[in-house]
Amino acid sequence: DAGITQSPRHKVTETGTPVTLRCHQTENHRYMYWYRQDPGHGLRLIHYSYGVKDTDKGEVSDGYSVSRSKTEDFLLTLESATSSQTSVYFCAIRGNEGPYGYTFGSGTRLTVV
Amino acid sequence: KQEVTQIPAALSVPEGENLVLNCSFTDSAIYNLQWFRQDPGKGLTSLLLIQSSQREQTSGRLNASLDKSSGRSTLYIAASQPGDSATYLCAVDNQAGTALIFGKGTTLSVSS
Repeated sequence: DAGITQSPRHKVTETGTPVTLRCHQTENHRYMYWYRQDPGHGLRLIHYSYGVKDTDKGEVSDGYSVSRSKTEDFLLTLESATSSQTSVYFCAIRGNEGPYGYTFGSGTRLTVV
Repeated sequence: KQEVTQIPAALSVPEGENLVLNCSFTDSAIYNLQWFRQDPGKGLTSLLLIQSSQREQTSGRLNASLDKSSGRSTLYIAASQPGDSATYLCAVDNQAGTALIFGKGTTLSVSS
């Protein structure tokens, strides 16, 4: 599906530990995004990237950092995981050509205990 | 700040009924509007994308319309089927194209 892969698919981690989620794409898309989805809140933007080493914050960026050292990989790091970061995390890419539609990965279900 | 609202939050209909899902947004300066479907525990599947210069898009039994000036979009599903049961999400791409902003979705249940 547009060559976007998230890993891991599921993860359980302990409070206070760092966690890194990976998004990999194979079609040289410039724009990549990390969202989280929670009941009652819907999908909210965490961070996005508009090129290698070019990133910006979204609506709910506190406690998260991102890196993009290669076009194909966009990493999301929870610096010190908290229970409030238990969520489903989705990566997305934006088309390089019109009409610039978005495609989403299958998601990572993260549980912080 | 752009806000997207979807009404109703949940909808139950019998099989075969035609139905309309509503989406409204507060800032009419959008680039695109995209409708997605999400099955329980799954990712998002794109259904239709309407560019700001367009009025509607159709795919099979689905028709999406856009009225940018009034800040509204509708998703029309004809002859609904149990397989249409899912959550439908509306999202707008802001002028800078820096991210999609989502509504909270409409959860549809179609009974046979």
